[in-house]
Amino acid sequence: RKEVEQDPGPFNVPEGATVAFNCTYSNSASQSFFWYRQDCRKEPKLLMSVYSSGNEDGRFTAQLNRASQYISLLIRDSKLSDSATYLCVAEGGSYIPTFGRGTSLIVHP
Amino acid sequence: NAGVTQTPKFRVLKTGQSMTLLCAQDMNHEYMYWYRQDPGMGLRLIHYSVGEGTTAKGEVPDGYNVSRLKKQNFLLGLESAAPSQTSVYFCASSYVEEGSFNEQFFGPGTRLTVL
Repeated sequence: RKEVEQDPGPFNVPEGATVAFNCTYSNSASQSFFWYRQDCRKEPKLLMSVYSSGNEDGRFTAQLNRASQYISLLIRDSKLSDSATYLCVAEGGSYIPTFGRGTSLIVHP
Repeated sequence: NAGVTQTPKFRVLKTGQSMTLLCAQDMNHEYMYWYRQDPGMGLRLIHYSVGEGTTAKGEVPDGYNVSRLKKQNFLLGLESAAPSQTSVYFCASSYVEEGSFNEQFFGPGTRLTVL
């Protein structure tokens, strides 16, 4: 069983829609959490860190639920340019992060 | 700052050949990582390093060796390439601040094909 699990999708949504991704992690000792964005055949890039209190950056909101061991990413007012794969990451100690397999998002006109 | 760079960007090998992938970072990061990414498999950790002169095995280390002789460089070697090692290889670096792990910075990747 993968330590960090995501629904691979694809999530196919129209422009302007709100879409949410969840990610579960199995290591209760995990302390740091992130969402990365990866465009086709490119390197992953940090989208946002996920803090215990939740955090928002423009149209993107990330939440952490330690009790249920999941993190979420909400994208409001989706743009065509949001089409990408979103990777969930949990750092479970010893500063070795574990990546989920990614969730594919396709935003269509 | 160049960030994280990888050399080469593309390579085609024949089965049994050897090669070395070079990763360099100019951010003075302690932590460096090598991943491979295959379709549907996500990023899998091959080896990592927590500082100059140290290396450790990740999730899929077989068939690979690494060295970190200088803080800024992390080399990944394939001694005898196999078709199963056809993949995209990403290097990343990171740092710890006040005990907290921070984001990883990734290189652009090396696309390796083993025939």
